[in-house]
Amino acid sequence: DTEVTQTPKHLVMGMTNKKSLKCEQHMGHRAMYWYKQKAKKPPELMFVYSYEKLSINESVPSRFSPECPNSSLLNLHLHALQPEDSALYLCASSSGLAGLKEQYFGPGTRLTVT
Amino acid sequence: RKEVEQDPGPFNVPEGATVAFNCTYSNSASQSFFWYRQDCRKEPKLLMSVYSSGNEDGRFTAQLNRASQYISLLIRDSKLSDSATYLCVVNRGYGQNFVFGPGTRLSVLP
Repeated sequence: DTEVTQTPKHLVMGMTNKKSLKCEQHMGHRAMYWYKQKAKKPPELMFVYSYEKLSINESVPSRFSPECPNSSLLNLHLHALQPEDSALYLCASSSGLAGLKEQYFGPGTRLTVT
Repeated sequence: RKEVEQDPGPFNVPEGATVAFNCTYSNSASQSFFWYRQDCRKEPKLLMSVYSSGNEDGRFTAQLNRASQYISLLIRDSKLSDSATYLCVVNRGYGQNFVFGPGTRLSVLP
């Protein structure tokens, strides 16, 4: 089973709201990722967690705050977003073992900031 | 120069055609290479990893040329269901840090 689940599927939020995106995998993967994808563009890496520790932050604004409560879960907390943050937010996981294994993606959360 | 570049596309080909996609990367320290496909408004799905010796999976063949920093994907006997955007993915040579190419759109026509 190579399933990564994400909730919610769609989210509309105002610029003063606080919301969270959730991601879950039960493949025993130890690396988890957040990507942002704008229309007609490729996914752009935001954060990487490796063995539940934040290992990469691609200079993402602090209004995005990642959290990895355990090895199966990944959250992305959103606060005071801007309309340009509207995008598809994708979660992915990989085994995290040496050899840089392939990533498996969830279906994404389509976020609209009004 | 962009980190990962791909043929700009789109490619419009008839069913049954053979089509080849090219991808170049700039970081010589990159170690892992993948091809993904992405359907409209869906998530990327792994098509295949790319190994140094080249590898084949049914109608799909991937090649890697480390000296030229070049990756290719060949699709034989194209099907309508192959219509998608094909994304080349390369790691940046440190940690689990991956970068996607811009993608090449393929439309297979009846």
